Formats: sequence, C-alpha cells, structure tokens
Amino acid sequence: ETGVTQSPTHLIKTRGQQVTLRCSSQSGHNTVSWYQQALGQGPQFIFQYYREEENGRGNFPPRFSGLQFPNYSSELNVNALELDDSALYLCASSLIQLAGSYEQYFGPGTRLTVT
Amino acid sequence: QKEVEQNSGPLSVPEGAIASLNCTYSDRGSQSFFWYRQYSGKSPELIMFIYSNGDKEDGRFTAQLNKASQYVSLLIRDSQPSDSATYLCAVRPAGGFKTIFGAGTRLFVKA
Repeated sequence: ETGVTQSPTHLIKTRGQQVTLRCSSQSGHNTVSWYQQALGQGPQFIFQYYREEENGRGNFPPRFSGLQFPNYSSELNVNALELDDSALYLCASSLIQLAGSYEQYFGPGTRLTVT
Repeated sequence: QKEVEQNSGPLSVPEGAIASLNCTYSDRGSQSFFWYRQYSGKSPELIMFIYSNGDKEDGRFTAQLNKASQYVSLLIRDSQPSDSATYLCAVRPAGGFKTIFGAGTRLFVKA
C-alpha cells in the first residue's frame, strides 16, 4: 500500500459529459502527477501539480484540467468527454525537495468508461 | 523512434531462473530511471529506481544502467510465479517533471 487513494474506483459516463476524479496523496508528499493509461499501453503523463500550481503538462488538450489543494490532495477534471478518454486514470504522489531526483508512488486508479 | 522502448513480450521463464528485462531510451539528458511492476487490473508499483551508472541491487532485483548506451535493465533472480506481471520502464530527464513510460514487457514465470 502506497498511502495514495483515489476515488471513485470505477465510473461510466456518456460522451460530452464532464467528470471529476479525486486523489489524496501520501502523507508528507507535496506533489501530485496525473497519468492516463489506455489498455495495453504505458501511463501517459497528463500534468503535475506542485504547491498548488501546475508544474508541467503533457500532450493533452485544455479540456483536461486539474487542481491541487492546500492539503496536497488533487482533482482531475475532464470536460466534453470523448470515447477515447476511456482509460485507467492514475494519480502519483511524490516529495520534491529542491532540485534532484524523486520517486513517484501510484494510487489504485480510477477506471473511466465513456459510452 | 519511441522515447522509451521495451520488448512487449511475453517473456517466459521457468521458476527459479533469472528474468532479464530490457529498456532503451532516446533522450540523452535522462537522469532518473524506474521500474514498475503492474499486475493485471492493478496500478503500477515502484520496485526499483536508479540514478547513477552501474548496478543497484535490492533483494532479488537488480537494476543496471548504462547511460552511454542509453540502456537500462532489470534482472529478477530466482523468479517466482508471483513475479508474473507487466514490467514498465520509466525515464525522466534532469530537472524534468514529465516521466515517460514504455509500453511494458509481460513476464510469465512457469511453475
């Protein structure tokens, strides 16, 4: 167990709808990254939040947005859902201190199905 | 060329053997390297990380990094059926925030 939690576990939405996924980071961690993992693929980086600000973004459209709260928990919001958004959404928690390497620990994920 | 490449497998080894998983990456500025294990239907679990050239051992696992060849590998000694999973190689550039994952290698350990 990594101490990273995500909710909900599973979700079914209709094309065009909006969805919010939630993540609570591991105690003592200050950074959250979100990934999308399609079936048979590796996780794809969506964005990272550090001290409540977006720290970097992958190749995802603006309809993917996020928030990080003072307690370091985070939300991923996806607007105008498309069928291709069906995937496992993973939250990864880290402690970043100054410059240097850091490890990421994943939560259990949210399985999103768009019909 | 993919940024992080892995053989998709499946790699099949008998119980007790050494499993060798390989990964190559394209960005010479990469600094941090990770191996994750992912069981079917579960999220990735960090099993090894390595930041310097050479070998790093942790129990039955050894990570090997060769930055000149842009190559990182994972050795699993005394393989067990419970090691059967997909192994994801991940790479991050120096000072970067984006971790890039390969598509994973499926490992099957036969009892």
